[in-house]
Order: sequence, then C-alpha cells, then structure tokens
Amino acid sequence: NAGVMQNPRHLVRRRGQEARLRCSPMKGHSHVYWYRQLPEEGLKFMVYLQKENIIDESGMPKERFSAEFPKEGPSILRIQQVVRGDSAAYFCASSPPGMGTHEQYFGPGTRLTVT
Amino acid sequence: GQQLNQSPQSMFIQEGEDVSMNCTSSSIFNTWLWYKQDPGEGPVLLIALYKAGELTSNGRLTAQFGITRKDSFLNISASIPSDVGIYFCAGHRDQGGKLIFGQGTELSVKP
Repeated sequence: NAGVMQNPRHLVRRRGQEARLRCSPMKGHSHVYWYRQLPEEGLKFMVYLQKENIIDESGMPKERFSAEFPKEGPSILRIQQVVRGDSAAYFCASSPPGMGTHEQYFGPGTRLTVT
Repeated sequence: GQQLNQSPQSMFIQEGEDVSMNCTSSSIFNTWLWYKQDPGEGPVLLIALYKAGELTSNGRLTAQFGITRKDSFLNISASIPSDVGIYFCAGHRDQGGKLIFGQGTELSVKP
C-alpha cells in the first residue's frame, strides 16, 4: 500500500523560472493538502483540494502560486517566476473521503532551491 | 492568525528517560494530532485525538487531548536512540481541512 508520493524530491530553479511540484495521494484518498516548511519552522498550510475543486486556498500567496487536482493524474502545485524566498520544503498530504477523520498523511516533500 | 505554542523547543535526554512535551493554543481545537519528522523526510502521524480528555497510547507514546480543548501533551516513555527527531503538534479547528502546526520540539537522545 504505497504512501503519498511526491516528485521531484529536489528541484533547483533559477529566479524567474517556473516550478511544478507533483503529488499522488494514497490509494483511496480523495483529499489533498499542500504545506510549506521553511528551515527550523513548522508546516504552514497553503491549499486544500478535492478532485477538480479547490476547497480552501486561504494559505496560498495571491500571485504566482496555483494548485490543481484534476480528475485524472496527480495534484500539481505550480509556482511561476520563482524568487529566492520561495526556497522551502513543500509537502503534500492526503486524507480519505468522508467526515469524521482529520488524519492527514504526508509525502516525503519536494525541496525547492531557487538560485 | 491561529497559533500553536509548542514547548520545549529542544530536549537533550539520556536513553531510557521519559520525555514530555506540550502544545497550547488560545483557540479551541476539535482534533489534535502529533507527528514526528526525521531529517529530509515528511512528518509521520503518531497519534490522533478527537475528544476532550481523551488519552491515547501508541506503544511507548501517550498523548492527551486537554479538557479545555486548547492544549495537548505527548509523552514518550523509556526513550531510545531512534526517537531522535522533531515532534510536531497539529490542530484542526473547523469544517475546512487546514491543520495548524506548532513550531516543533527537537529531541536528542544520548545513548
């Protein structure tokens, strides 16, 4: 039973380029969450998606960041025109459908470095 | 914004000792979760708590959901070297999916 998968594990981009981070949730999970972690800090919520719907994007920066979870395929977090401050670890988590559980299971993360 | 205050920030203990860490908030949470993160990896869920007053164990780990719903603690008994890592509390508050994380407690265990 594979866990949450994220790729790439490490991504280096120059300032101004685009970064695409992918997340495949655990089998049977239909809820996906993206978090960002700066060094020596806790995780900060960015966005919560279900298939083809953005449920809560209150943690997403208003510009340059977007997320999607299409009917088929992985969830994508897209950062356009990256800047040095975007350097961080980005984690995806998933949870099963239905109410009553808020247990989120995390992937190994993508470490983005902007040079 | 909502914040969780986690303490202590770091702990250095001897193998075999018991460990206690806690998380407090000015807001009520409906769910408390505890995670462990190893370097270069994602957080791993240790324990989930759903009811005020609930006490739940997972092996040598025990966690409690505070009666006021504004705090939680995690105990680790008889620590071993593989307990080393950063422990995070996380709270869930409302209908949305967002988890609010504490700043983490870094645990070091001396053999």
